[in-house]
Amino acid sequence: AQSVTQLDSHVSVSEGTPVLLRCNYSSSYSPSLFWYVQHPNKGLQLLLKYTSAATLVKGINGFEAEFKKSETSFHLTKPSAHMSDAAEYFCVVSTDTNAGKSTFGDGTTLTVKP
Amino acid sequence: EAGVAQSPRYKIIEKRQSVAFWCNPISGHATLYWYQQILGQGPKLLIQFQNNGVVDDSQLPKDRFSAERLKGVDSTLKIQPAKLEDSAVYLCASSLEFGRGEQYFGPGTRLTVT
Repeated sequence: AQSVTQLDSHVSVSEGTPVLLRCNYSSSYSPSLFWYVQHPNKGLQLLLKYTSAATLVKGINGFEAEFKKSETSFHLTKPSAHMSDAAEYFCVVSTDTNAGKSTFGDGTTLTVKP
Repeated sequence: EAGVAQSPRYKIIEKRQSVAFWCNPISGHATLYWYQQILGQGPKLLIQFQNNGVVDDSQLPKDRFSAERLKGVDSTLKIQPAKLEDSAVYLCASSLEFGRGEQYFGPGTRLTVT
């Protein structure tokens, strides 16, 4: 079985300040982990992915995430928030066993204040 | 490359009516997914195809939902009869790799059941 918990349903930051979106996962197998972003009325877009290579993963638009197996976490960070970062963010766990099923977290809404 | 196409973008129906959604994945992507995203929640996998075979449909309400992927390319998802709780956005995604690959999402179909 696998599951994803996004620890914050809403995060609010000021423009120019750091962003931290937290994700914990559970998986019986060696997982792949993803972060997707969903802007209003837009499709889901991949930010970054971890697939058992480097534990620190860099993505698009200055985002990065670190895979910590001991903590079963995959938190998303960005040093300086931009207004355009305001969106819904989803953490996803997947494996090539368990029928390759992907499990989404419930999402974190990021608000960026001017 | 062309993205994942879905139609219609919006649909309003009355309960007990039927509805069908269409998805055309990215060319060459063997894996196709249908998700249901209820407002305020993360996407929930309904069914996953590998070519034209079903890999996982454990969360598909089979008494009212059906899906097919003829010839391993386009796919249709049908609801018959619809219930109020089926109001959601239905997302189609495709991927090149089974399980660990990035998923590419279509824009979704927003279904309202009245």
